[in-house]
Amino acid sequence: QAALTQPASVSGSPGQSITISCAGTSSDVGIYNRVSWYQHHPHKVPQLIIYEVTYRPSGVSNRFSGSKSGNTASLTISGLQAEDEADYYCTSYTTSDTWVFGGGTKLTVL
Amino acid sequence: QVQLVESGGGVVQPGGSLRLTCLGSGFTFGNHAIHWVRQAPGRGLEWVTQIWFDGSQKFFAGSVRGRFSVSRDNSKNTLYLQMSSLSADDTAVYFCARDGQQHAPYAFDVWGQGTMVIVSS
Repeated sequence: QAALTQPASVSGSPGQSITISCAGTSSDVGIYNRVSWYQHHPHKVPQLIIYEVTYRPSGVSNRFSGSKSGNTASLTISGLQAEDEADYYCTSYTTSDTWVFGGGTKLTVL
Repeated sequence: QVQLVESGGGVVQPGGSLRLTCLGSGFTFGNHAIHWVRQAPGRGLEWVTQIWFDGSQKFFAGSVRGRFSVSRDNSKNTLYLQMSSLSADDTAVYFCARDGQQHAPYAFDVWGQGTMVIVSS
């Protein structure tokens, strides 16, 4: 199962919005609404921020939102804050009963 | 609080074996599927395996299928990842992660802090 495709890096200024894409195939992102997103600060534990494409776990800021169109899912972070600087990963359940991650996107807050 | 704690990492020679352990607490361990996810140095996250809540079903990434096995003892709130025929490509931090089940389906809602495995001669 090939990894999902994410941009290696994105950046934005405080207060701005950014979007991270996650491109998959009709065997994963495209067929299921089972995409989740994780925020990973270096040397810390990954944190779930979005599940089933659009849902936020309790305690996650509503500045984080998710969407999907066809084989591509997206994570949008609005009102960028310095603390948002981290690595972001998408993952999807697949038709092989496995999960596949994206390669990760490093977000820099300028 | 809800917690997962991994142990068992270390340095192992190529071709060797190692067993990792994941201990859960603060929740009903036997009600949740559990995953292993790994991160090689400087690389992204890679899903490794899932074991169902009762151990009846197990799924593996192609990169480890046939070399890794997973099991659990719900009476001890413990999960095991048995790794064999290890190579340098298996060098990584190994996280266990709880399946979100009905709270966050098909997602990993609780993660351990990880345990480092280094495959080197």
